[in-house]
Amino acid sequence: DQQVKQNSPSLSVQEGRISILNCDYTNSMFDYFLWYKKYPAEGPTFLISISSIKDKNEDGRFTVFLNKSAKHLSLHIVPSQPGDSAVYFCAAKQAGTALIFGKGTTLSVSS
Amino acid sequence: KAGVTQTPRYLIKTRGQQVTLSCSPISGHRSVSWYQQTPGQGLQFLFEYFSETQRNKGNFPGRFSGRQFSNSRSEMNVSTLELGDSALYLCASSLAPGLANEQFFGPGTRLTVL
Repeated sequence: DQQVKQNSPSLSVQEGRISILNCDYTNSMFDYFLWYKKYPAEGPTFLISISSIKDKNEDGRFTVFLNKSAKHLSLHIVPSQPGDSAVYFCAAKQAGTALIFGKGTTLSVSS
Repeated sequence: KAGVTQTPRYLIKTRGQQVTLSCSPISGHRSVSWYQQTPGQGLQFLFEYFSETQRNKGNFPGRFSGRQFSNSRSEMNVSTLELGDSALYLCASSLAPGLANEQFFGPGTRLTVL
């Protein structure tokens, strides 16, 4: 039973446009959500997070939106750059438990 | 400050063998978590250690085990290897458990089981 789902395995976007990566979850007890970025041959790196008490968090070009009623979160990257091309993982947790990751979405940004 | 290091980076084993992977956390970090990454399943949590104690365990068979030493270094062991154990094994460290946004990953160990 997959608690965190990233239904789009891949996404292609042109440089300068907006990239929107989506993530759905099933466990209403999750209270913290994160996005990680992973380049080949490297471990994932933390990108941005959001607590369940918020519905939006921004950090530069990256914004995460949380819709608790729909159990959905999304990561917006504006403007997209070729260096953003990577695998993006959505993750969620509740207090005292480990991170649950989605299967990832491969973002390709073309110039 | 040095990052999380994992050794070896690449490993080839045959079915039935066992393997031990090592993880050295960032200096001062006392929490270490292990994950398995496969193309079909994404990142799956294996276990988490803090102060030499296992705090959380994922849904993996008993062939997967781990431990943490007093210097916070951690090892994971997989016995009786199966073809399906081929994966990238990632280790992540943080100062303490629960600090998910301050968890730093190593580059991983790529295990191939033939």
